[in-house]
Amino acid sequence: SQQGEEDPQALSIQEGENATMNCSYKTSINNLQWYRQNSGRGLVHLILIRSNEREKHSGRLRVTLDTSKKSSSLLITASRAADTASYFCATRGGSNYKLTFGKGTLLTVNP
Amino acid sequence: EAGVTQFPSHSVIEKGQTVTLRCDPISGHDNLYWYRRVMGKEIKFLLHFVKESKQDESGMPNNRFLAERTGGTYSTLKVQPAELEDSGVYFCASSQDHTDTQYFGPGTRLTVL
Repeated sequence: SQQGEEDPQALSIQEGENATMNCSYKTSINNLQWYRQNSGRGLVHLILIRSNEREKHSGRLRVTLDTSKKSSSLLITASRAADTASYFCATRGGSNYKLTFGKGTLLTVNP
Repeated sequence: EAGVTQFPSHSVIEKGQTVTLRCDPISGHDNLYWYRRVMGKEIKFLLHFVKESKQDESGMPNNRFLAERTGGTYSTLKVQPAELEDSGVYFCASSQDHTDTQYFGPGTRLTVL
C-alpha cells in the first residue's frame, strides 16, 4: 500500500477562495514535504515540515502535521488562477533517504 | 544558481531500442535521486547516489535499467532494451545533504512505442 495519499483527488474552486488538501501516510516519518507540479513541468518544492513540528507557514501556504493521526494538510489561502496545478505530499522516514509520494490532488482555480 | 537540469525533455523510441537520460544536479549537491511516474500511478523512487556511489537502488524495476554517476557529477539512466511499460516521466532530484529538501528537475517524458 502506498505511503502518502492525498485527498481529495481533484478540487475545483473560485479565485480568492481557500483550498485545503489532505495527506495521510502509514509509517513513521522524519519529515513531510509538499510539491507542486504545473502541467507538463517539473516538481516545485513548496514546504517541508519535520516530524517534531506541528504547523508551518510560507506566504499563502499553511501546512499542518499530526503525527498521531499520520496526516498533514496544505492550505492555500486567497487562491489564484496560477495556483492551478497538481499538489503532492511526499514523506521521508527512517534511514531511507527516498521520498514516497501520493498520487496527488489536482487543484483547479477558476478565474 | 542553476537548478536541476534533465536532457532530453522528451524522447520517443521504439520498443527494443535503447535510451539514455541525463541529469545534472545542482552544483555542490552530493545526493542525486531518480524517480519516475508512469501513467496514472504515483511518483516512485528508483535510486539514490551519494557522489558516485549508489546508496539505494531498491526502486530499480529490473536489470534493463542502469544508472551511473561517474565522477560524482551528472548522472545517466539507461534503459536497454526499452519496453512499453517503461513509458512515463523520469525525474531527477538533488540535495546537499540527505536530510535536506530534494530539488527536482523538469523531468524527461519517455514514450516507448
